[in-house]
Amino acid sequence: GQQVMQIPQYQHVQEGEDFTTYCNSSTTLSNIQWYKQRPGGHPVFLIQLVKSGEVKKQKRLTFQFGEAKKNSSLHITATQTTDVGTYFCADIIQGAQKLVFGQGTRLTINP
Amino acid sequence: NAGVTQTPKFRILKIGQSMTLQCTQDMNHNYMYWYRQDPGMGLKLIYYSVGAGITDKGEVPNGYNVSRSTTEDFPLRLELAAPSQTSVYFCASRPLVGTEAFFGQGTRLTVV
Repeated sequence: GQQVMQIPQYQHVQEGEDFTTYCNSSTTLSNIQWYKQRPGGHPVFLIQLVKSGEVKKQKRLTFQFGEAKKNSSLHITATQTTDVGTYFCADIIQGAQKLVFGQGTRLTINP
Repeated sequence: NAGVTQTPKFRILKIGQSMTLQCTQDMNHNYMYWYRQDPGMGLKLIYYSVGAGITDKGEVPNGYNVSRSTTEDFPLRLELAAPSQTSVYFCASRPLVGTEAFFGQGTRLTVV
């Protein structure tokens, strides 16, 4: 079935460095969602991208949807300790309304 | 609003026992989902429902059953617990018109 593959699985950075996680699909995505899960917590919705080539920003976070709608990225500028957690992309499989998640990228930060 | 409520928060089961994980949402959402998350891993979809009376299998349904008799409730049943079912279970709901999924706090289940 349709899957979204996410890389890298882990990323450790120094505070202040940038961070990027990528989400790739072999098939065209109708849309892509991004979630953040703090350690010990539950996933929390960040954003949804729908349009080809779409770019959205939330403060230091920049989300992109590829032109072919087969990939997406989340970029964090100048990471802070509050950014620690696991970032997931998710695909809503249209028709079935299944919400399927990528494997996640776990971000740890050295203060 | 309470949002999505899961009970219990923690549970230890013996091999072969059965239990029901409860999930209730008060947002009148049509779509509901059950996920399991193994330590350090991602979210695997177990079952989902697009409305009362309608359920379907996700990626890892074996060993689980669900029902959706009302819009609010979506319980997950484990009939014969196995150590491989040790995990954190999350329930989520999403509205018919809208985007984001709302998650419960999770149930941490250990099978020994």
